Amino acid sequence: AQSVTQPDIHITVSEGASLELRCNYSYGATPYLFWYVQSPGQGLQLLLKYFSGDTLVQGIKGFEAEFKRSQSSFNLRKPSVHWSDAAEYFCAVGTLNTGFQKLVFGTGTRLLVSP
Amino acid sequence: GAGVSQSPSNKVTEKGKDVELRCDPISGHTALYWYRQSLGQGLEFLIYFQGNSAPDKSGLPSDRFSAERTGGSVSTLTIQRTQQEDSAVYLCASSFQMNTGELFFGEGSRLTVL
Repeated sequence: AQSVTQPDIHITVSEGASLELRCNYSYGATPYLFWYVQSPGQGLQLLLKYFSGDTLVQGIKGFEAEFKRSQSSFNLRKPSVHWSDAAEYFCAVGTLNTGFQKLVFGTGTRLLVSP
Repeated sequence: GAGVSQSPSNKVTEKGKDVELRCDPISGHTALYWYRQSLGQGLEFLIYFQGNSAPDKSGLPSDRFSAERTGGSVSTLTIQRTQQEDSAVYLCASSFQMNTGELFFGEGSRLTVL
């Protein structure tokens, strides 16, 4: 069965600094990978997704992620963090067998932004 | 409404009571999903609907959990004889069609079982 690991529970970044959130997945075939963000008082929102093709995908709010098959990773990056980026970030994987009905989510990384 | 609406936003109940959680998806969205988010854990898939049918109920934790969807719209998640381990945030999501991966989530219903 597929699984997702987000090794960092909390990360604190200074405003304006760069950000990288780690995500590792376990799945034997080609995964479909997603990053969602959960801001306080809001539902989860899709930031970006990888299905195939270019391994560097661009998302909303200036985020990007790179799929590295050799490392089973799909890390999320942003060159310059804004205070409004403080939220919880979830990586998720879907598979061809299950479509996207049963996304498997990681435990999340809470991002704190310091002034 | 514009987004996925869930009610109640907060529910405190006593162990052994039944609870119903409601989800009103985005108009026109044919797929509807229920997930559970427990403290310190990721989102756990419970069930999804395509239209009114639920092809996969394998995520429901026990037979105390059931869900239905009527008219291809509103869905209700029912937990019977609640237990303390049922305490969690129950999230509903909808999508326009399957296999896009973009789920639109509600803010969730926080259930506390005393």
